[in-house]
Amino acid sequence: DQQVKQNSPSLSVQEGRISILNCDYTNSMFDYFLWYKKYPAEGPTFLISISSIKDKNEDGRFTVFLNKSAKHLSLHIVPSQPGDSAVYFCAARKETSGSRLTFGEGTQLTVNP
Amino acid sequence: GAGVSQSPSNKVTEKGKDVELRCDPISGHTALYWYRQSLGQGLEFLIYFQGNSAPDKSGLPSDRFSAERTGGSVSTLTIQRTQQEDSAVYLCASSRTLGVAFFGQGTRLTVV
Repeated sequence: DQQVKQNSPSLSVQEGRISILNCDYTNSMFDYFLWYKKYPAEGPTFLISISSIKDKNEDGRFTVFLNKSAKHLSLHIVPSQPGDSAVYFCAARKETSGSRLTFGEGTQLTVNP
Repeated sequence: GAGVSQSPSNKVTEKGKDVELRCDPISGHTALYWYRQSLGQGLEFLIYFQGNSAPDKSGLPSDRFSAERTGGSVSTLTIQRTQQEDSAVYLCASSRTLGVAFFGQGTRLTVV
């Protein structure tokens, strides 16, 4: 039962344009969401998070949007840079119970110069 | 160091041998997670420790896999009688009770 899904295995954008990575979840008990970036041969690196009491969180070039009614979140990167090329994982948890993180399958982002 | 530390970084073992993978979490973090990533796959949950609570072992793929966390700090993941399908990168992460989980660099396990 895949409770967190990233339906696009890959995304390619031009440098300077916006990258939009999408994530859907099925468990309505999830109340905390995170995005991680992973380069080859490295562990995932935390990027940005959002609590279910918010619908948007912004940190520099990265913005995460949460639509609870649709059980959908997205990560926007603008402007995209070649160094952003990596695999991006969406994750969710039931924060109030301190439960484990459930990850999506990941999306490979390639930013072309 | 201030981050999550995993050892060894690489491990090659013969099929049928036992292996132990170690994780040193960030000091003060009460939660510790093990995940693995097989080639071309996503992050597969294995086991989750939270303070003194019973661990969530629901992700362990078989009884050949076990993990312990001694003194609420260091954790060891043990794989007995390794099989080729166990080849993967094993990732450890830690967090406070609530909040962001920080990952180590992983242990790349190759079973030959």
